[in-house]
Amino acid sequence: AQTVTQSQPEMSVQEAETVTLSCTYDTSENNYYLFWYKQPPSRQMILVIRQEAYKQQNATENRFSVNFQKAAKSFSLKISDSQLGDTAMYFCAFCSGNTGKLIFGQGTTLQVKP
Amino acid sequence: GAVVSQHPSWVICKSGTSVKIECRSLDFQATTMFWYRQFPKQSLMLMATSNEGSKATYEQGVEKDKFLINHASLTLSTLTVTSAHPEDSSFYICSARGGGPENIQYFGAGTRLSVL
Repeated sequence: AQTVTQSQPEMSVQEAETVTLSCTYDTSENNYYLFWYKQPPSRQMILVIRQEAYKQQNATENRFSVNFQKAAKSFSLKISDSQLGDTAMYFCAFCSGNTGKLIFGQGTTLQVKP
Repeated sequence: GAVVSQHPSWVICKSGTSVKIECRSLDFQATTMFWYRQFPKQSLMLMATSNEGSKATYEQGVEKDKFLINHASLTLSTLTVTSAHPEDSSFYICSARGGGPENIQYFGAGTRLSVL
């Protein structure tokens, strides 16, 4: 069975600084996708970034980038130039290419301080 | 694009009544929809997967007779919590897949259910 682990329950960062959220996963599959979702206080789940496991190049979306280490089964999220609107709970998620089901980590609550 | 609408956003009901939650994909056809449950400050737990025109597949430990799922069209799935009790109080979230790059799930805004 697949598992996703986020070892940082809470983190904080000063506005304009950079922060990295950690995520590790375990799977025996070769065909899978990895995601970071953001859940602000409104509780609306918002897709932040997506990575296909077969791609070696790390995904980037504006201020958000990932460090995908496939052999180590690590998928960290880096947020550059943090903004107050980045304050939210961040979930790392594994998606099986076979079933399409998402398995979420425990979440990391990020507080961006002014 | 890829908007998922979920209604109602908040419902309060008496114990023993049934509550229906709707999930609609507004601008794409959702071949698969998913239903999750989330307790405060916790992660999302997958309850079931529904494909249009077929019976939902429930995760282990989820009572299918308690949580009835209907996926009657490519844009609508419903979750009915039957004979709701206070322990069913939770935040329920739906997602839909099919409107863009493969395997991206787009989420509804969620429904807060409070059973008195």
